[in-house]
Amino acid sequence: DTGVSQDPRHKITKRGQNVTFRCDPISEHNRLYWYRQTLGQGPEFLTYFQNEAQLEKSRLLSDRFSAERPKGSFSTLEIQRTEQGDSAMYLCASSLGLATITDTQYFGPGTRLTVL
Amino acid sequence: GQQVMQIPQYQHVQEGEDFTTYCNSSTTLSNIQWYKQRPGGHPVFLIQLVKSGEVKKQKRLTFQFGEAKKNSSLHITATQTTDVGTYFCAGNAGNMLTFGGGTRLMVKP
Repeated sequence: DTGVSQDPRHKITKRGQNVTFRCDPISEHNRLYWYRQTLGQGPEFLTYFQNEAQLEKSRLLSDRFSAERPKGSFSTLEIQRTEQGDSAMYLCASSLGLATITDTQYFGPGTRLTVL
Repeated sequence: GQQVMQIPQYQHVQEGEDFTTYCNSSTTLSNIQWYKQRPGGHPVFLIQLVKSGEVKKQKRLTFQFGEAKKNSSLHITATQTTDVGTYFCAGNAGNMLTFGGGTRLMVKP
């Protein structure tokens, strides 16, 4: 399968613990995006990378959240000191990133986080 | 900031009936994309509209982009049970997508 992959698919943690998610984009895709989706809502943009550079961050991304894409390929999203309000589906998407206007994003299966 | 609204939030139809969902943006968009998310699944790209007034068809699905590039619609003719899911529009006014809240379509066989 050459689509976007995410690991783990499910994560249950206790409040206050740190969690890290991984996203592997479609190979040769330059852009990688992170979104958060809660039940009954559309995905909300968190941040995106052009190659290894993090170019935009939403104000939803508090200082407990950090994302990296060290070699311009896979990316990690870490949440420190998790809170119950962090429970959501975390979606990763990638795109070619060659042209802004016609850039199509392809989503991975997501990581469902439950904070107890 | 940019806001994208979708109506209706839910729609129940009998199989064979038509369905339409509407999307409105608070700002002019460079393009609009439509996604479908099945229950328990992730958003899957359907189509992208770029030009003012553009209309595109995919079998029973018809997508329109408004003249002012601030609204869009998705119309499904003669719904089938396989059409069940949530349909999201997502507006692109830069390098990030802003998703609407989605319209959840339920089809009774």
